[in-house]
Amino acid sequence: QLVLTQSPSASASVGASVKLTCTLSSGHSSYAIAWHQQQPEKGPRYLMKVNSDGSYSKGDGIPDRFSGSSSGDERYLTISSLQSEDEADYHCQTWGTGIQVFGGGTKLTVL
Amino acid sequence: DVQLVESGGGLVKPGGSLRLSCAASGFTFSTSYLNWVRHSPGKGLEWVSTISPNNGYIYYADSVKGRFTISRDDGKNSLYLQMNSLSAEDTAVYYCATEGYCASTFCYNVGWGQGTLVTVSS
Repeated sequence: QLVLTQSPSASASVGASVKLTCTLSSGHSSYAIAWHQQQPEKGPRYLMKVNSDGSYSKGDGIPDRFSGSSSGDERYLTISSLQSEDEADYHCQTWGTGIQVFGGGTKLTVL
Repeated sequence: DVQLVESGGGLVKPGGSLRLSCAASGFTFSTSYLNWVRHSPGKGLEWVSTISPNNGYIYYADSVKGRFTISRDDGKNSLYLQMNSLSAEDTAVYYCATEGYCASTFCYNVGWGQGTLVTVSS
């Protein structure tokens, strides 16, 4: 069964870096995922697609502070030089045959 | 820029029906895969349905299969979701989204709408 697992919460200070993790279920380590940001009271925003080889492709207007990477069944979103507006929920998503799956989301608090 | 604007949400009684619409602009609608995704209070995002270009493929989450119908009108650049037999578990903000495609380091024609709230309550 295709499942994505995310930690419910993370926190880091303004100016610091944070690395969020999205873990694919067993047997799905070759799958790409997408990261989406959802600020409070707003619709989600597409950030990037992260491939199993660690390469990533970003959506329009996504700052260079946002990057992606991979290791095994884990896909990462790294945000550097954290700003207050980065405080948001971060969702990962993947695609199976005839289905799509989202992780539970990680709430990032910027201290 | 990709723009998606949902409408049609509102308050509906259990067992009732509602039709959501999504007006699109800023990208080539007819060649895009389109999704409906919902966000219930206190939960993560939940994929609802996908429709491919030319209606070639249509998929539904098990939770809505048989009750919801996705459709598109490429002449009007619009996406629809007909929702029947609604229950409290369908209460959520419903978003339309376009998948676009990625080449090299950039993803094109990807985006989300702002959402429309559906509340199912007596």
